[in-house]
Amino acid sequence: DQQVKQNSPSLSVQEGRISILNCDYTNSMFDYFLWYKKYPAEGPTFLISISSIKDKNEDGRFTVFLNKSAKHLSLHIVPSQPGDSAVYFCAASADTDKLIFGTGTRLQVFP
Amino acid sequence: DTEVTQTPKHLVMGMTNKKSLKCEQHMGHRAMYWYKQKAKKPPELMFVYSYEKLSINESVPSRFSPECPNSSLLNLHLHALQPEDSALYLCASSLSGSGGPLSSYNSPLHFGNGTRLTVT
Repeated sequence: DQQVKQNSPSLSVQEGRISILNCDYTNSMFDYFLWYKKYPAEGPTFLISISSIKDKNEDGRFTVFLNKSAKHLSLHIVPSQPGDSAVYFCAASADTDKLIFGTGTRLQVFP
Repeated sequence: DTEVTQTPKHLVMGMTNKKSLKCEQHMGHRAMYWYKQKAKKPPELMFVYSYEKLSINESVPSRFSPECPNSSLLNLHLHALQPEDSALYLCASSLSGSGGPLSSYNSPLHFGNGTRLTVT
């Protein structure tokens, strides 16, 4: 039972445009959400997080939006850069040490 | 550079071997984690140590044995593995863990670059 899903396995965006990555979850107890970026042969790198008491968090080019009623979060990257090309994972936890990862979306930013 | 260091980077072992994976962090983090990642899949949680005590075991087979000698070190002892155990093994740490003074504070996990394990 996949509690955190990323329904788009891949996304292709032109450099300079906005990248929007989506994530859906089923467990209403989740209260902390994160986005990670992963390059091949490296561990996931933390990008940005959001607590369930907020609906938006921004850090530079990265903004995460949370819609609790829809059990949906999204990551916006603007402007997109070729170095952003990687696999992006959303993750969620429910006030425990257990972090559940989504299935991942491969983002490709082309010139 | 990652602040969570894993050794070795690559490991090939036979099904009768005993080996250990090592993880180290010096960020003062009090929770440490082992995740397993197969190709084209998300990382899957195996074990969590919080304040040097095992807090989560995700029903992992006993051929995987974790150990936390101190708050900076985490080991994963491997014995009698199967070829399907071949995967990328990721260690992570976070500032807070359950059962401690910061247990209500959410903090992100910081990952090492993993050990690529092949069981032959």
